[in-house]
Amino acid sequence: AQSVTQPDIHITVSEGASLELRCNYSYGATPYLFWYVQSPGQGLQLLLKYFSGDTLVQGIKGFEAEFKRSQSSFNLRKPSVHWSDAAEYFCAVGSTGTASKLTFGTGTRLQVTL
Amino acid sequence: KAGVTQTPRYLIKTRGQQVTLSCSPISGHRSVSWYQQTPGQGLQFLFEYFSETQRNKGNFPGRFSGRQFSNSRSEMNVSTLELGDSALYLCASSLVPTGAREQYFGPGTRLTVT
Repeated sequence: AQSVTQPDIHITVSEGASLELRCNYSYGATPYLFWYVQSPGQGLQLLLKYFSGDTLVQGIKGFEAEFKRSQSSFNLRKPSVHWSDAAEYFCAVGSTGTASKLTFGTGTRLQVTL
Repeated sequence: KAGVTQTPRYLIKTRGQQVTLSCSPISGHRSVSWYQQTPGQGLQFLFEYFSETQRNKGNFPGRFSGRQFSNSRSEMNVSTLELGDSALYLCASSLVPTGAREQYFGPGTRLTVT
């Protein structure tokens, strides 16, 4: 069964500093990978996705992620964090075939200090 | 284009009661999935509907059910509510049921069972 691991439960960075959130997946074939962000009391907003092709994908709000098959990782990065980036971030893997089911990691809560 | 809408946004119910939550997908999207989010279990897949048929189901008891209408709108029902059913229920829509498509989430319905 596919699974997603986000090793960091909570991360604190200073505004303007760079950010990297880790995500490792367990899946036999090429996975469909996603990063979502959730602000308090809100739903999930899609930041970016990887299906195939270029392993470095760009998303919204200045985020990017790199797919590394050899490390089974799909880490999320941002060169300069803004205070408004404080939220919870979820990595997810999509099912193959005719199913939309997403399997989520446990999330990483990002705190930004001024 | 309007996003995914969920009603109501907040609900308070008593143990033993039943509840119905509603989800309207993005126009043109025909696949609707439901997720439960709790602090202890994280984001868990409930079920997915496409063309008025349940295509996939997560590991939840039979008290959790759903349906989809011909206009792709979906409802989920929880009968005989338990305290542990308190959660944020998220609906997501996509064009078709496949892991290789983006899913867009609504703001969620916060259910509190007392």
